[in-house]
Amino acid sequence: IAGITQAPTSQILAAGRRMTLRCTQDMRHNAMYWYRQDLGLGLRLIHYSNTAGTTGKGEVPDGYSVSRANTDDFPLTLASAVPSQTSVYFCASSDSADRGMNEQFFGPGTRLTVL
Amino acid sequence: EDKVVQSPLSLVVHEGDTVTLNCSYEVTNFRSLLWYKQEKKAPTFLFMLTSSGIEKKSGRLSSILDKKELFSILNITATQTGDSAVYLCAVWDGGSQGNLIFGKGTKLSVKP
Repeated sequence: IAGITQAPTSQILAAGRRMTLRCTQDMRHNAMYWYRQDLGLGLRLIHYSNTAGTTGKGEVPDGYSVSRANTDDFPLTLASAVPSQTSVYFCASSDSADRGMNEQFFGPGTRLTVL
Repeated sequence: EDKVVQSPLSLVVHEGDTVTLNCSYEVTNFRSLLWYKQEKKAPTFLFMLTSSGIEKKSGRLSSILDKKELFSILNITATQTGDSAVYLCAVWDGGSQGNLIFGKGTKLSVKP
């Protein structure tokens, strides 16, 4: 059982380019999340999905979009990358049977550098 | 505005020492508080706390929640170099967004 996988592991991207970060989980969790982690700012929620077919905005959604076509996959897209989007991106999931009473499982992260 | 505040931001100790990490919170609708350990990569789950005064324990780590004073502590006894990590506190807020709110973490360094 892999848990949550993310791809790529790291990426260097030119400003203005489009980029999709991939996230796949095999735990059949309903809820999935995307965070960015920056030094001094901690983990901040970008977007979330409570269940397949639904998405919502987190604390820092601008410049990012997500989709949730099925339970397993939750890709994060940067339509036109900017240097301020340089960060480590974590995907997470949780069993939302009783949201708020379940731990989140995290993927290994994607280190993105936008030049 | 909801917030989760951890202290200290960083801490350096020697092997064998006991440490206490603090987490205070202000959220609209508290559901639970979680502690994570983050070494090189992904945060890994340590504890979930929902009730005041009930200690959760796993080996040398333990944690307790005070819902009246709105804080939690994470204790690590007989520290080892392998305990060096960033420890994250997060609170599930059952309010309008119902999301997990993270503190900025405490960076613990354990010297041999």
